[in-house]
This record gives sequence, structure tokens and C-alpha cells, in this order.
Amino acid sequence: KNEVEQSPQNLTAQEGEFITINCSYSVGISALHWLQQHPGGGIVSLFMLSSGKKKHGRLIATINIQEKHSSLHITASHPRDSAVYICAPTNTGNQFYFGTGTSLTVIP
Amino acid sequence: EAGVAQSPRYKIIEKRQSVAFWCNPISGHATLYWYQQILGQGPKLLIQFQNNGVVDDSQLPKDRFSAERLKGVDSTLKIQPAKLEDSAVYLCASSVGAGGPYNEQFFGPGTRLTVL
Repeated sequence: KNEVEQSPQNLTAQEGEFITINCSYSVGISALHWLQQHPGGGIVSLFMLSSGKKKHGRLIATINIQEKHSSLHITASHPRDSAVYICAPTNTGNQFYFGTGTSLTVIP
Repeated sequence: EAGVAQSPRYKIIEKRQSVAFWCNPISGHATLYWYQQILGQGPKLLIQFQNNGVVDDSQLPKDRFSAERLKGVDSTLKIQPAKLEDSAVYLCASSVGAGGPYNEQFFGPGTRLTVL
């Protein structure tokens, strides 16, 4: 069993839709990172959170440590949001557990 | 500020050949990471340096992979000899602190390796 499960694996949405990507993990963690990877390989860190909720522009990330679950929401989605979104919980030993990613395509 | 630089961006070699990748982290970043990302999978940590010392290389296939970070700045990752299953994107990342769950990692563009 993978330590990190993301759902859905693939997601296609119409421009303007509200999008939710889920991440469940089975390991004890200190923090969780959400990363965005565009075609060509570049990865950008979107959020690091250890509790509650964070918001940056149209992106919102939440985490429930007790339930070992995190969600990434995108409001008013846009074609430029098309990318792979990776959930990466980290433990106190600095080990990053990477999910396999959710591939998002936003259609104009 | 300049980001993490990697070269080359693409490399195609035949199996059993050798290859080397180079990474220049963000200036002042103490921790440097090398990841291997196979198509359709998340990144897998190969090695983590803090300054010029190795923090974690438990998943580095040491029979064929080697890495160094001389002077605690630039780093090179070498594969010798390459196998077909080494085809992947090799990502370099750096973080300002000593590494840890709360440190943001900044990623380079990656090197896409194809082994024929």
C-alpha cells in the first residue's frame, strides 16, 4: 500500500469550475506540501501546511491531521491551472513521501 | 533571485554508457536534493546533502549512481553504467535551511534522461 494516495488521478474540468484534489496518507507527519508540476518537469511549491487552512489567490489548501487527509481546492479554474498537482507529506525525520500526482486539464 | 539551475535539460544515451548531471542551487541554500521521477510517478529522493555532507542516500543505487557536492555549492550526479530503467527526469532541489518538514524546496527544471 502506498503511503500517499491522491484522488482523482486524472481530472478534466471546464474553465470556471471549482476543483478539489484529495490526498490521504498513512504515515505520521509534521507537515504537508502541495506541489505543482507543469509539462517539462518544473515543480513549484504551492503550500506548506501543518494544520488548518491556507489560501493563496484562487488556491486553498486544508489539512486534517487527525484524519490524515488534505485537500487542494482551485476556485474559478483557468486553463493555465492545467498541471500535475503532487501531495508530499513530510515527517519529523525530513523524509518526503510523494504522491503520484493528479493530472488536471482545464478546458476553455 | 535566480532559481535552481540544471544542465543538461535533455540527454539521450545508450545503455551501459555513463552520464553526468549538474545542479547549481539557489545561492545560500544549505540543503540540496537529487530526485528521480519516472514517468507517471512522484519524485523519489536519491540523495540529500547539507552543505557538502550527505544526510540521506538510502535510496541511491550505489553500485551505479554517485553524487558529490564539493565546496557545498554545486553538485553532480553520475550514472555509470546506465540501464534502461534509469530513463527518468532527474530533479535537483534546494532549501535554505538544514532541511526538514517545514522547509520549502525550490526545484530546478530537471534533466530528462532517455536510455536506449
